[in-house]
Amino acid sequence: DAMVIQNPRYQVTQFGKPVTLSCSQTLNHNVMYWYQQKSSQAPKLLFHYYDKDFNNEADTPDNFQSRRPNTSFCFLDIRSPGLGDAAMYLCATTRLGTSGRIDTQYFGPGTRLTVL
Amino acid sequence: GQNIDQPTEMTATEGAIVQINCTYQTSGFNGLFWYQQHAGEAPTFLSYNVLDGLEEKGRFSSFLSRSKGYSYLLLKELQMKDSASYLCAVSPSLDDKIIFGKGTRLHILP
Repeated sequence: DAMVIQNPRYQVTQFGKPVTLSCSQTLNHNVMYWYQQKSSQAPKLLFHYYDKDFNNEADTPDNFQSRRPNTSFCFLDIRSPGLGDAAMYLCATTRLGTSGRIDTQYFGPGTRLTVL
Repeated sequence: GQNIDQPTEMTATEGAIVQINCTYQTSGFNGLFWYQQHAGEAPTFLSYNVLDGLEEKGRFSSFLSRSKGYSYLLLKELQMKDSASYLCAVSPSLDDKIIFGKGTRLHILP
C-alpha cells in the first residue's frame, strides 16, 4: 500500500498560472520535505516541516510556498510558475526519533510539472 | 559549506561487482544514506550508516569512515535492473535536514 502519495502525478500549467501540488502520508511521520529535481540533477531541498515548524531553505525562491495543515498532508504552492520551474517535485517523510536521528526517508512517486 | 561528491557515471558488467564512492564535507554528521533512483521515478532508500564500518544487506553493502568523510556502496552480482542512479545523501546535524549529492549513473552491460 502506498505510504507517501502525491497528486497529481503529472501537472501541466501555463506560465504564470498558480499551481498546487499535494502530498499525503499514512506513516504518521513528523517530518515532511519538498524537493525539486531537474533532469540528471540531485534532488534540491525546498522546505521541510518538523511537525508544524516550517524550515525554508535560504535559496528557495519566494515564488514557492508551502502549507502543512495537519500531520498527514503537505502542499506546495507555486504562485507564478516560470519555464525554469518545470521539474519533478518530490515529497518525502521521515520520523525523527527520540535520539534526534533520522534512520530512513520515504519518497512519494513525485509530480512532474510542465510549464507551457 | 556543505559538499557531497560522487562520480558522475560508471559502467560495469552484468554479474560483476561495482563500488560507488562518496566523499562529504559537512558542518556536522548525523548519518549517511544511499538511494537508488531509476529514470523518471522517485528515489528508493537502500541504506543508512551512522557508525563506522560495513553494513550488508543482500547484494548491497554500504561502508562508512567518519574520520575520512568517506562512504561507498558496493553492489555484487550485478543485474541489468541495477542500471540506475545512486544518490549519496548526508544528514549534517542533529535535525531533520538531508542533503543529496548529484548521483552516480550506473550503466550495466550484458
